[in-house]
Amino acid sequence: AQSVTQLDSHVSVSEGTPVLLRCNYSSSYSPSLFWYVQHPNKGLQLLLKYTSAATLVKGINGFEAEFKKSETSFHLTKPSAHMSDAAEYFCVVTGTIYNQGGKLIFGQGTELSVKP
Amino acid sequence: KAGVTQTPRYLIKTRGQQVTLSCSPISGHRSVSWYQQTPGQGLQFLFEYFSETQRNKGNFPGRFSGRQFSNSRSEMNVSTLELGDSALYLCASSFGVGRMNTEAFFGQGTRLTVV
Repeated sequence: AQSVTQLDSHVSVSEGTPVLLRCNYSSSYSPSLFWYVQHPNKGLQLLLKYTSAATLVKGINGFEAEFKKSETSFHLTKPSAHMSDAAEYFCVVTGTIYNQGGKLIFGQGTELSVKP
Repeated sequence: KAGVTQTPRYLIKTRGQQVTLSCSPISGHRSVSWYQQTPGQGLQFLFEYFSETQRNKGNFPGRFSGRQFSNSRSEMNVSTLELGDSALYLCASSFGVGRMNTEAFFGQGTRLTVV
């Protein structure tokens, strides 16, 4: 079965410092992986996706993630945090072998705080 | 291009009642999925509809049901509401075919409160 584990429930960084949000996945087939962000009282916004092309994926707002099959990881990074990055981040894996996006399995989320 | 639209945004219902939530997907998308978000359980998959057929189903009781119309709009229904059904219900749309078009786009959600 597909699953995702986000290793930190809360991460706090200072503005201008790097961000690292960690995610490990489990999949019985080659998965598609995503990071979504949710700001308070808002829906989910796609940050980036991995679909078996390049292992280093660049997303919006300066975020990127690297797919490492040997480590079953898909960590999200950003070189320099901005106050507007404060939100909850979800690592997501597709839930069926067809990877069609209709069934997504979410991690528990990592709340990112950014201090001035 | 218009995004995913969910109505209503907020609902307050009494235990035992039923409720219907609506979702209009992005134009051209044939897959609509529903998720329940609660502080305790996080985001959980309810079901997916593709071309008017339920294609995938999560582990929720039969009180949760849905359907999809020929224009891809979808509704979900919860009958005999319980206090634990209070949650943010999110709808997502995607193309539904093709490995390279896997991303799902989410609506703002419907906040359901059961009292």
